[in-house]
Amino acid sequence: VQLQQSGAELVRPGASVKISCKAFGYTFTNHHINWVKQRPGQGLDWIGYINPYNDYTSYNQKFKGKATLTVDKSSSTAYMELSSLTSEDSAVYYCARHGNYFDYWGQGTTLTVSS
Amino acid sequence: QIVLSQSPAILSASPGEKVTMTCRASSSVSYMHWYQQKPGSSPKPWIYATSNLASGVPARFSGSGSGTSYSLTISRVEAEDAATYYCQQWSSNPPTFGAGTKLELK
Repeated sequence: VQLQQSGAELVRPGASVKISCKAFGYTFTNHHINWVKQRPGQGLDWIGYINPYNDYTSYNQKFKGKATLTVDKSSSTAYMELSSLTSEDSAVYYCARHGNYFDYWGQGTTLTVSS
Repeated sequence: QIVLSQSPAILSASPGEKVTMTCRASSSVSYMHWYQQKPGSSPKPWIYATSNLASGVPARFSGSGSGTSYSLTISRVEAEDAATYYCQQWSSNPPTFGAGTKLELK
């Protein structure tokens, strides 16, 4: 099992960005994909999850309107789009598979929001 | 949401020492998971469902607890255990993480 995330992003304030998470080694539709934010030197903040089987999503209230989760079943890839970016969105973003816990994590995507 | 409070924030230990870190929940939870994170790396599952060691985790680690109080214990600390340990619950939405305990080796 492996989750491979897209590379680091440098984007301007006010812009949007879409991060990908490609799954290998298991049946993609069998497990929810979660997204977690970690600001420099800080803890872990759950953003939300998507069920690749039926596209159902659930979001942490604090990220509603900020994050949009989608999947492409044909390529076993999950996506997270972040909109109206500010410096507060600069962080490492992880995707993580959920079995009964977050059992596999991507390597992380570093997002830097700067003009 | 359930707030998880981890203590101590920083734990300094000598090799061979026994250490315990705790995680207290603002409301009762059914179980607790723990993750280990080293600088520049993703979190790794470490202990799941309170007391089960994830694959590859040394037997010197153990987890226990119930209700609002959980703990992770290392029977004899080794240099490779230096890391930050996070507790996590999903007994109620949203899932939440503690702020972490950073284990430093003397």
